[in-house]
Amino acid sequence: DSGVTQTPKHLITATGQRVTLRCSPRSGDLSVYWYQQSLDQGLQFLIQYYNGEERAKGNILERFSAQQFPDLHSELNLSSLELGDSALYFCASSALGLEGYEQYFGPGTRLTVT
Amino acid sequence: AQSVAQPEDQVNVAEGNPLTVKCTYSVSGNPYLFWYVQYPNRGLQFLLKYITGDNLVKGSYGFEAEFNKSQTSFHLKKPSALVSDSALYFCAVTPGNTPLVFGKGTRLSVIA
Repeated sequence: DSGVTQTPKHLITATGQRVTLRCSPRSGDLSVYWYQQSLDQGLQFLIQYYNGEERAKGNILERFSAQQFPDLHSELNLSSLELGDSALYFCASSALGLEGYEQYFGPGTRLTVT
Repeated sequence: AQSVAQPEDQVNVAEGNPLTVKCTYSVSGNPYLFWYVQYPNRGLQFLLKYITGDNLVKGSYGFEAEFNKSQTSFHLKKPSALVSDSALYFCAVTPGNTPLVFGKGTRLSVIA
């Protein structure tokens, strides 16, 4: 168990809908990362937050947004969902915002868009 | 921009034999290199990392990796494979000031 929790485990929704994925980092970790894993694209970095502030942005679509709250949990909001958004979404956390620190991954949320 | 190549989609090895999962990278400056493992229906687990120092890095579950600067490689190795090592392995790199870039992954299958 990495200490990172994600809810829900599974999510099935229809095209055009909006969903929110939640992540609680390991105790004491200030940095949260979101990734999308799909069969054809591999593991894609979406966005990083450090202590409530956006730190880095990757291949995140404009329909997607995220935030990190004062208690350090993070939410990833996906809107106007398309079939191609079906994927595993992982959250990871690390102690600091420095990239030499290993990241600890949650179990993921499997999103299915029908 | 940094990149990682894992040239083999699949590696098959017999239980008890040594295993190698290959990784080459491209990055400006000195690399921070990582290996992660993903078991079915699980998140990625950290195995080991190279930041600086000894080129041979030892990690969890008996795995090790050798950093080779001239060949820009960071191959993952284990002297004696176990069936329970069967999983998806990811190599990742960063120059230290940008998020990790992951390879596509290599599926390791250890056959009893």
